[in-house]
Amino acid sequence: QVTLKESGPGILQPSQALSLTCTFSGFSLSTYGMRVSWIRQPSGKGLEWLATIDWDDDKYYNPSLKSRLTVSKDTSNNQAFLKITSMDSADTATYYCAWRRGDYWGQGVMVTVSS
Amino acid sequence: DIVMTQAPLSVSVTPGESASISCRSSKSLLHSNGITYVYWYLQKPGKSPQLLIYRMSNLASGVPDRFSGSGSETDFTLKISRVEAEDVGIYYCGQLLENLWTFGGGTKLELK
Repeated sequence: QVTLKESGPGILQPSQALSLTCTFSGFSLSTYGMRVSWIRQPSGKGLEWLATIDWDDDKYYNPSLKSRLTVSKDTSNNQAFLKITSMDSADTATYYCAWRRGDYWGQGVMVTVSS
Repeated sequence: DIVMTQAPLSVSVTPGESASISCRSSKSLLHSNGITYVYWYLQKPGKSPQLLIYRMSNLASGVPDRFSGSGSETDFTLKISRVEAEDVGIYYCGQLLENLWTFGGGTKLELK
């Protein structure tokens, strides 16, 4: 049974960096073919893919946000991470992590950027 | 970037009737390996998205066979037969051809 759960600060101020953690179970990110992706969704809007990290540490980023994103993993603790720099009100959204091609998703964590 | 365009924006269906949702990609999603990398997801109200269809026409685990996916290299259809109350939500198509994931804007399915 694959499960994922996101965690993060909830609220932060403009210009700060956001650090998110995805803690998962039911698979290992050191196993061939495994991957975790980050996707966000502003309230009432659609899905926007942000980044993906593969089992072999290959990383992929949304081109429009690439300069602000860093994805990483800790295979020993079954965690994946996403860092977004220079947060702005436009980054207010629910952030999800997902397994492989979206076979399983976390419950999401709401992040609000406000002064 | 590959752009995914869905239609309609919303659809209202009588329970027991069928519904179809269309998705068009700006580039062929047919890989040289013969696999078409289009996916369908359903986001029920207040919930995370869930995978319905993978690689254009394959039913994800646990998904009722009332759902089916079909299409060509750039035009795709999700069909829901015998719509039920639990099918209400927003449907998204997505593509994963080049490891850069993009989604359609979503289609909201409501019951009449």
